[in-house]
Amino acid sequence: KQEVTQIPAALSVPEGENLVLNCSFTDSAIYNLQWFRQDPGKGLTSLLLIQSSQREQTSGRLNASLDKSSGRSTLYIAASQPGDSATYLCAVRPIASGTYKYIFGTGTRLKVLA
Amino acid sequence: DAGVIQSPRHEVTEMGQEVTLRCKPISGHNSLFWYRQTMMRGLELLIYFNNNVPIDDSGMPEDRFSAKMPNASFSTLKIQPSEPRDSAVYFCASSLAGGTQMDEQFFGPGTRLTVL
Repeated sequence: KQEVTQIPAALSVPEGENLVLNCSFTDSAIYNLQWFRQDPGKGLTSLLLIQSSQREQTSGRLNASLDKSSGRSTLYIAASQPGDSATYLCAVRPIASGTYKYIFGTGTRLKVLA
Repeated sequence: DAGVIQSPRHEVTEMGQEVTLRCKPISGHNSLFWYRQTMMRGLELLIYFNNNVPIDDSGMPEDRFSAKMPNASFSTLKIQPSEPRDSAVYFCASSLAGGTQMDEQFFGPGTRLTVL
């Protein structure tokens, strides 16, 4: 059974720091991995989607990497800003017949201090 | 596009009452997902539909929960009767999932349900 873990559960950093959020999954048989951002009281916003054949994806100050063989993904945030404060979740889509569902991690709650 | 639309945004009801949550997916998307999020259990998939057909409802907690998708632009999640432990935020998401890997999920704003 696929399990997704995110460590740490919470992270507090000063503004301007570069930081890395971690996501690990137990079964490397995945179609893709998606990183989301969730602001308090709001829905999830898709940040980056990495296909299983890809190693990384970039969008602005965000860079996500994927190492399927080791069951790991990282989300790198450059030059963090207070506006980056949110909960970041990763989700994997397992390879299973006829299924399009994602398995979510429990998230990392990020606070960037001004 | 307006994105995934959910209604109501907030619902407060008393135990035993019927609750109906509504979702309009992004036009053209063929997969729809209902999730529940709580502090204790995180984000859980309840059920998902592909081309209006329920594919996997193994996450539906019990028979009090039911979901329908009568057409490609509308879905409901019903709880009858509701219980205090059903209090959570319920999200609907949609994607264009055609058997390829290009199935990025887009979430609605959620419905915050409180059962007293």
